[in-house]
Amino acid sequence: RKEVEQDPGPFNVPEGATVAFNCTYSNSASQSFFWYRQDCRKEPKLLMSVYSSGNEDGRFTAQLNRASQYISLLIRDSKLSDSATYLCVVNPFRHQAGTALIFGKGTTLSVSS
Amino acid sequence: DVKVTQSSRYLVKRTGEKVFLECVQDMDHENMFWYRQDPGLGLRLIYFSYDVKMKEKGDIPEGYSVSREKKERFSLILESASTNQTSMYLCASSFRSGTGTHGYTFGSGTRLTVV
Repeated sequence: RKEVEQDPGPFNVPEGATVAFNCTYSNSASQSFFWYRQDCRKEPKLLMSVYSSGNEDGRFTAQLNRASQYISLLIRDSKLSDSATYLCVVNPFRHQAGTALIFGKGTTLSVSS
Repeated sequence: DVKVTQSSRYLVKRTGEKVFLECVQDMDHENMFWYRQDPGLGLRLIYFSYDVKMKEKGDIPEGYSVSREKKERFSLILESASTNQTSMYLCASSFRSGTGTHGYTFGSGTRLTVV
């Protein structure tokens, strides 16, 4: 099983739609989770950290299910500017001094008018 | 704002050349990372460093080395560039992750072409 798995998409949705992305991770000891957004030919940028209670930031909601090792990102009222690749990211916490994050390959979203 | 600066946005090098990619961060982050990103393969970790003069191999260290002589600077070295090292190289930094609540800040990337 791959460490972080995402459906690559693409997800093609009209403006105003609600879209959800899912991600599964294999290491049950993973400590923290993030969603990053990456625009074409740009660097990834942190969109949200994912907390165990779930968290919301405007139109974006992230949820974590530790029992199922599953993370989700919900985007409501999609905008054209939401078109990007969304990366699911996991911190496996391998040692105290520092751990490299593990990135999924990303899910591509295209929002059309 | 945290800033991570990569020395070059675009670079073209010849096969066999020694290539240096430089990364500097200005937020006193302990951890620094080098990834490469290729279509269909996602981000793959090359090396990371959690302290000055410390380095850890990532998933694909072959053909690369790194140097971290100062806390703010992390260099990636391609010992003898090959065409299969043509890629987007991304540097990132973060605070030391204890229980791991910190994400990364990335530099804007260096798109390296080896001809």
